[in-house]
Amino acid sequence: NAGVTQTPKFRVLKTGQSMTLLCAQDMNHEYMYWYRQDPGMGLRLIHYSVGEGTTAKGEVPDGYNVSRLKKQNFLLGLESAAPSQTSVYFCASSYGRGGTQYFGPGTRLLVL
Amino acid sequence: DAKTTQPNSMESNEEEPVHLPCNHSTISGTDYIHWYRQLPSQGPEYVIHGLTSNVNNRMASLAIAEDRKSSTLILHRATLRDAAVYYCILFIIQGAQKLVFGQGTRLTINP
Repeated sequence: NAGVTQTPKFRVLKTGQSMTLLCAQDMNHEYMYWYRQDPGMGLRLIHYSVGEGTTAKGEVPDGYNVSRLKKQNFLLGLESAAPSQTSVYFCASSYGRGGTQYFGPGTRLLVL
Repeated sequence: DAKTTQPNSMESNEEEPVHLPCNHSTISGTDYIHWYRQLPSQGPEYVIHGLTSNVNNRMASLAIAEDRKSSTLILHRATLRDAAVYYCILFIIQGAQKLVFGQGTRLTINP
């Protein structure tokens, strides 16, 4: 039981490049989330999903897109990376509303 | 948006109890109160959560005020491994379900 895993662990991008961050969970959770954490700050919700095929915007969705084609995977895409998107990205999943969220180890992204 | 307010930092001694306060005066009746902690270079880790009644688990206790406008996370016997940033979080399940993070309290444990 691996819990929540994230790929890649670290990535450097140039401004304008695109990339996809992958989050996978093996706990059969319905809910999945993508957060970003900037230095010295708490986490901010980017997008979330309440089930396969459904996604919704969080607090800071601009510049990001997501997809949940399979229940166990939640993808975060950056179509045209900007230096302001330099951050640590965390994925989380939970069984249901108000339930415990299990976080992945994070992906460090540096946009030059 | 519902927000939480926590002290920026707190310090305690090993094997002593720690009380971490959180104010959430705009909480609504269906918002859950969650506590997570984050060690350096790691993802947040669940500690405890509750709705109205006080809660206990193997890691900590959560004391919720009667009016639910504040809560306190209690670590009964702090260890050096408890040094982390502790986040008090409201989980808003009405409307656009959101987890609203506070700024967190950096807890330092002295040996």
